[in-house]
Amino acid sequence: DAGVTQSPTHLIKTRGQHVTLRCSPISGHKSVSWYQQVLGQGPQFIFQYYEKEERGRGNFPDRFSARQFPNYSSELNVNALLLGDSALYLCASSFRTEPRAFFGQGTRLTVV
Amino acid sequence: SQQGEEDPQALSIQEGENATMNCSYKTSINNLQWYRQNSGRGLVHLILIRSNEREKHSGRLRVTLDTSKKSSSLLITASRAADTASYFCATIVGAQKLVFGQGTRLTINP
Repeated sequence: DAGVTQSPTHLIKTRGQHVTLRCSPISGHKSVSWYQQVLGQGPQFIFQYYEKEERGRGNFPDRFSARQFPNYSSELNVNALLLGDSALYLCASSFRTEPRAFFGQGTRLTVV
Repeated sequence: SQQGEEDPQALSIQEGENATMNCSYKTSINNLQWYRQNSGRGLVHLILIRSNEREKHSGRLRVTLDTSKKSSSLLITASRAADTASYFCATIVGAQKLVFGQGTRLTINP
């Protein structure tokens, strides 16, 4: 079975632009979460979606938004990019409310 | 804010030696997990220990949990070059929000 897949793997954007990151969870997983990992730090929680509803939001500005589709895939959108948004964005899926998370390989976003 | 804090931040040992990493957390937990990350890629789940467990083994991994001290340790025995990675402890806050520490960067020297 395929694991969690994220696209694209790498992305370079200019300040002020908008970006959309995509994630496909493991088949059967209905929970998808997004994390931001800045170089040298641990991942920081951004959003969690379960059954297409937002179930949790981290301490991120409104420039960050997300959604989950009927097939449980998810998109993370970031508007008005800042240099500080440069990071590895990780998507994780879980089976129902099980604590163990399965992570994708991440999208490396560079804002210049 | 970080829930877990790993110690040390970096660890360098010789192949074959044992590596011990520690994690402290702030709030009450139902379980604690350890993840590994290779070269800034995705995280891989290693082991989960529940709050009513004191020790758990998985292959060369041994995890302990002391809820009275709000701390956990991860021991990797007989280290290999492939164990070179960053290791993170994580606790769950709310539904499924994982809160990670800053991690321990482990380097295994041949």
